[in-house]
Amino acid sequence: DIQMTQSPSSLSAAVGDRVTITCRASQSIGYFLNWYQQTPGKAPKLLIHGTSHLQSGVPSRFSGSGSETDFTLSISNLQPEDFATYYCQHSYRIPTTFGQGTRLEIK
Amino acid sequence: EVDLVESGGGQVQPGRSLKISCVASGFMFDDYTMHWVRQTPGKGLEWVSGISWNSNSIAYADSVRGRFTISRDNAKNSLYLQMDSLRLEDTAVYFCAKDFRGGYYDLLTHSAAPFDSWGQGTPVTVSS
Repeated sequence: DIQMTQSPSSLSAAVGDRVTITCRASQSIGYFLNWYQQTPGKAPKLLIHGTSHLQSGVPSRFSGSGSETDFTLSISNLQPEDFATYYCQHSYRIPTTFGQGTRLEIK
Repeated sequence: EVDLVESGGGQVQPGRSLKISCVASGFMFDDYTMHWVRQTPGKGLEWVSGISWNSNSIAYADSVRGRFTISRDNAKNSLYLQMDSLRLEDTAVYFCAKDFRGGYYDLLTHSAAPFDSWGQGTPVTVSS
């Protein structure tokens, strides 16, 4: 199975900041990389698919980039509702696997 | 609006069986591949199984293959997961999830797809 490794595991930031989360795949996955946001007690929500394509309704302060094995999720001008846990996922093939998550906390 | 509602979770002893369900609304259920994904505090998110719209393509994670059976009833807009020979490590919240990609594709030979809608989850606890 393809292993997905996120860093950092957690980070603190303030409202208005810009943050970047990194996801690394154990082998090349092209652009088959997706990002999800999850708040406590809720299901994950698809933010970005295909590395950089914003899901409908997702604010433009979210952006994604990368290719092959290295990917990033950036959030600019952090808003209070952005403090959550973020997961990357590859969709290169089955089994699809997820990163371990990055918890974004308010500083 | 897409809505996925899971049910059937609960506490069960190791070695026993449990069947969970997911009822879908707000989209053409019989046009989409559907999945089960589980989540634990320790192992995070783990894809469990997927089934094409016509049930012709089915895939399982190695951890559940031979013990779990995914199925669907398009007439009832419903997805199911029959879980047999349950183990302690199957304890998790189980989510049903809708495939981003419509139409048929072979889960075992084609690229996978993101999951664009999820249910709220149903908890399964395997404990003696």
